[in-house]
Amino acid sequence: AQTVTQSQPEMSVQEAETVTLSCTYDTSESDYYLFWYKQPPSRQMILVIRQEAYKQQNATENRFSVNFQKAAKSFSLKISDSQLGDAAMYFCACRIQGAQKLVFGQGTRLTINP
Amino acid sequence: DTGVSQDPRHKITKRGQNVTFRCDPISEHNRLYWYRQTLGQGPEFLTYFQNEAQLEKSRLLSDRFSAERPKGSFSTLEIQRTEQGDSAMYLCASSSGGQGNEKLFFGSGTQLSVL
Repeated sequence: AQTVTQSQPEMSVQEAETVTLSCTYDTSESDYYLFWYKQPPSRQMILVIRQEAYKQQNATENRFSVNFQKAAKSFSLKISDSQLGDAAMYFCACRIQGAQKLVFGQGTRLTINP
Repeated sequence: DTGVSQDPRHKITKRGQNVTFRCDPISEHNRLYWYRQTLGQGPEFLTYFQNEAQLEKSRLLSDRFSAERPKGSFSTLEIQRTEQGDSAMYLCASSSGGQGNEKLFFGSGTQLSVL
């Protein structure tokens, strides 16, 4: 069974600074996909970034990038130039090839200090 | 693209009552998912539809839970004989399918409180 662990319940960062959110996962499958979703107070989960396990190159989406360490089963999210609108719960998730369910971590609450 | 909509946004019920939630996915999406999220936790998968067929169900979905997606459009999730442990946010998501890395579009959820 897959598990996803986010060891940081809360993080805070100054506006315009950089912050890294940690995520580790465990799966016996070789083909899988990793995601970071953001859940603002409006409750609607929004995809931030995704990574295919077979790709060595780390995914990047504007100010968001990941550090994917397959051997260590680590998938951290880096947010550069943090903005007030980045404040939210962030969830790391994993989906194995051929399966439909996403397995989510417990989440990290990110606070942006002005 | 009007997004995924869920109704109601909040539901308060007494233990033992039945409740039904509705999800309207993005119109061209053939895949629909239900997740449950308890306070301080990440969402947990409940069930998955491809068009009108329910193809996967979690063990979390006890026999008191039933989900339908008639005609492959909107979906309903019914909980019979509610228990206090059913209190949670119920999230619906849809997607157009893909290779496994497709983006899920989530609704804003239905917050259920069982008294």
